[in-house]
Order: sequence, then C-alpha cells, then structure tokens
Amino acid sequence: DIQMTQSPSSLSASVGDRVTITCRASQSITNYLNWYQQKPGKAPKLLIYAASTLQSGVPSRFSGSGSGTDFTLTISSLQPEDFATYYCQQSYRTPHTFGQGTKLEIK
Amino acid sequence: QVQLQGSGPRLVKPSQTLSLTCTVSGASISSGDYYWSWIRQPPGKGLEWIGYIYYSGSTSYNPSLQSRFTISVDTSKNQFSLTLSSVTAADTAVYFCAGWYSSSRGYFDLWGRGTLVTVSS
Repeated sequence: DIQMTQSPSSLSASVGDRVTITCRASQSITNYLNWYQQKPGKAPKLLIYAASTLQSGVPSRFSGSGSGTDFTLTISSLQPEDFATYYCQQSYRTPHTFGQGTKLEIK
Repeated sequence: QVQLQGSGPRLVKPSQTLSLTCTVSGASISSGDYYWSWIRQPPGKGLEWIGYIYYSGSTSYNPSLQSRFTISVDTSKNQFSLTLSSVTAADTAVYFCAGWYSSSRGYFDLWGRGTLVTVSS
C-alpha cells in the first residue's frame, strides 16, 4: 500500500493567517493527489484534485502544489469557516489511501 | 444535483452481519462515470477506503482489510450496498458511501452523509 503522511497533525492559527499543510507519499504518485476538508459530523468535501486543480465552487484562497512524493495545501488567508480537518488522498493505485489528517484549530 | 443517501442499522451485535445500502439520486449509477465506493471512519480517527464497484459489477477491495466485505450493485434501483460479516467492536465507525470520479486522475467528489454503525451487544 502507498502510505500517506501529513504534517503537522494539528495546527493552531488565526483568521487571516497563511497556512501550509504537507503531505508525503511513500512512493511517487506523480500528481494523483487530492485534498479534502472535513468538519465535525459531516462528510469530507473535495477541495483540490490532481494536486493543484481547484474543485468547482471552492474559494481561490485554497491552492495545492507538488508532484512525485511531496505535496502541499495552502490557505492564503484563513477564514472562520476554514477551521476543520484536512486530508490528503492518493488515487495513483488501489487501495486508495488517506493521510492521517491535519486538524486546523483557532488560536 | 447528484445525492447519495446511505441507509441501514445503527446498532449491530458482535458476530452478526452488517448491511448498508446507498441510494443514488440525480444521476444513473450506470452512467459509467463513477466507481461507487464505501469508506469508513472510526470515531475520532481517519478515513479508510473499503472498496468500490463499477456499474458492471466489477469490484476492488482494500486488501489490508480482512475479506469480510462484499460490495454489490443493483442498477434497477440505482443502489449499491455493503455487507460486512462477523462484525466486531473494531468495525464501529461512520460508513460513508461515495462516488469516485475516474477521470482527471480520480477523486471522491460525491459523498453521502455517513451512517454511524455501532457494534455492541
């Protein structure tokens, strides 16, 4: 299985901050990398697919980059509704695997 | 707008079989655009892909899980289902049905609300 490792596991930040979350794959996945946002009691929501393509309807303050094994999700200016848990996920090979999640909390 | 609605029992006894169904509305499950998936999330933990099925009946499962899972599809009802045999407390989780769009590198862009299943006597 391809292991996905996110860092940090948790992060405290303030509204307006720029935040970066990192995801590393245990082998190259080219750009088969997706990012999801999950709020408590809700299903995950797709933010970015193919490493850097913004899903329709997602605010432009979200961006993704990377290829191969190292990827980042950046939120350029945190808004109150962005405090949630974020997951990366690889679609390069089954089984599809997720990172362990990064919980973004209000400072 | 495509919607997924999961249904099934919330409480299952150990050693019993769990059956969940996901009804797709707003699109045909036979359209061929999606692989219909099950993903679970134990309380307070991360996401685990269980497997998926194509409308033709072709399946793929997570080999890291014991082979207790079966995914099936009923195109006439626009539904797909998950069966898990011999459940234990470790199977307590929120079970999400989801659609994996196979183009553009593939991603899960359709999600049901999730069904919390508790395994307890």
